[in-house]
Amino acid sequence: AQKVTQAQTEISVVEKEDVTLDCVYETRDTTYYLFWYKQPPSGELVFLIRRNSFDEQNEISGRYSWNFQKSTSSFNFTITASQVVDSAVYFCALSANYGQNFVFGPGTRLSVLP
Amino acid sequence: DTEVTQTPKHLVMGMTNKKSLKCEQHMGHRAMYWYKQKAKKPPELMFVYSYEKLSINESVPSRFSPECPNSSLLNLHLHALQPEDSALYLCASSHGQNYGYTFGSGTRLTVV
Repeated sequence: AQKVTQAQTEISVVEKEDVTLDCVYETRDTTYYLFWYKQPPSGELVFLIRRNSFDEQNEISGRYSWNFQKSTSSFNFTITASQVVDSAVYFCALSANYGQNFVFGPGTRLSVLP
Repeated sequence: DTEVTQTPKHLVMGMTNKKSLKCEQHMGHRAMYWYKQKAKKPPELMFVYSYEKLSINESVPSRFSPECPNSSLLNLHLHALQPEDSALYLCASSHGQNYGYTFGSGTRLTVV
């Protein structure tokens, strides 16, 4: 069975602080994909990144960076110099079993205070 | 065009009404999805269409009826809903289920 855990239910930081959102996943498949989505208060889900299980290279995109570690089954997301516009719910997700199972984590609500 | 468009954005309906939610994408994606999201919860998969054929139905009650008229359109027909069906209904599309999904902004449904 596939499972995604986001242990942090809510996080509050002050603007310009760095913040890391944790994601731990479980799957028996050797081929799988991991995703991060952002859901601002307006409701739409915004795709941020996809990473496949064979690519453990970390990725940086502007103020966003992702740390994928297969050894600990983690795919953590860091926002550097956070801004108020980063306030949203962030979901980590896992696609395994050749796409037959797509599982969202419970989400982490990030509040960035001015 | 890199968007998934959902209409209407808000819908209030009575338990005896019949209504439809619409979803449209022009990205050439061959997989389309309906998700239901309750407050403070992650989205829950309802239906998957692949190449215009229903491939997954996650044991959704028959009062929800999906339809895929063509590769760009996805409808969700609603009939005899219950107040507990009130939620945000999200449509998504992708090249396949292992690719990033593009989500619409959703229809916020209230059943009274």
